[in-house]
Amino acid sequence: DQQVKQNSPSLSVQEGRISILNCDYTNSMFDYFLWYKKYPAEGPTFLISISSIKDKNEDGRFTVFLNKSAKHLSLHIVPSQPGDSAVYFCAASLALSGTYKYIFGTGTRLKVLA
Amino acid sequence: ETGVTQSPTHLIKTRGQQVTLRCSSQSGHNTVSWYQQALGQGPQFIFQYYREEENGRGNFPPRFSGLQFPNYSSELNVNALELDDSALYLCASSLQLAGSYEQYFGPGTRLTVT
Repeated sequence: DQQVKQNSPSLSVQEGRISILNCDYTNSMFDYFLWYKKYPAEGPTFLISISSIKDKNEDGRFTVFLNKSAKHLSLHIVPSQPGDSAVYFCAASLALSGTYKYIFGTGTRLKVLA
Repeated sequence: ETGVTQSPTHLIKTRGQQVTLRCSSQSGHNTVSWYQQALGQGPQFIFQYYREEENGRGNFPPRFSGLQFPNYSSELNVNALELDDSALYLCASSLQLAGSYEQYFGPGTRLTVT
């Protein structure tokens, strides 16, 4: 049962344009959502997060939007740069009685074309 | 400030053997999580340790066990290795504070089981 889904395995965007990466989830108990970027031969790098009580969080070129009714979140990158080319993972955390669980999506490979 | 380090980088084991993977947390972090990432998949949460106690566990059998030491470094032990255990094993450290879920990943250990 994949509770966090990234339905687009890949995305190509022209440099300077907006990149929109999408993520859907099924568990309404998730309390925090995070986006990570991963380059080959490196571990994932934290990008941006959002609490389940908010609907938007912005950090420089990166904005995450959360639509709780649709159980959907998206990462917007504006403007996209060639260095943004990487695999992006959406992740959700579940806190229950002081214990934690993290669920990752399968990733979307973003290619920014110069 | 040193980042998360993992050892070894690569490892080859035979089915049925046991393996120990090691992780040094980022300075100041008190929580460590372990993930398994199969090829083409997102990281799968194995477990988390906070102050030397297991603080959350994913859907992995008991032959996956861990330890966290007083200096917050950690070990992942896998007994009775199976071919499907071949994967990249990622360690992530964090500072467990209310409202903070950011995790910082190491580069991973690539385990091959033959």
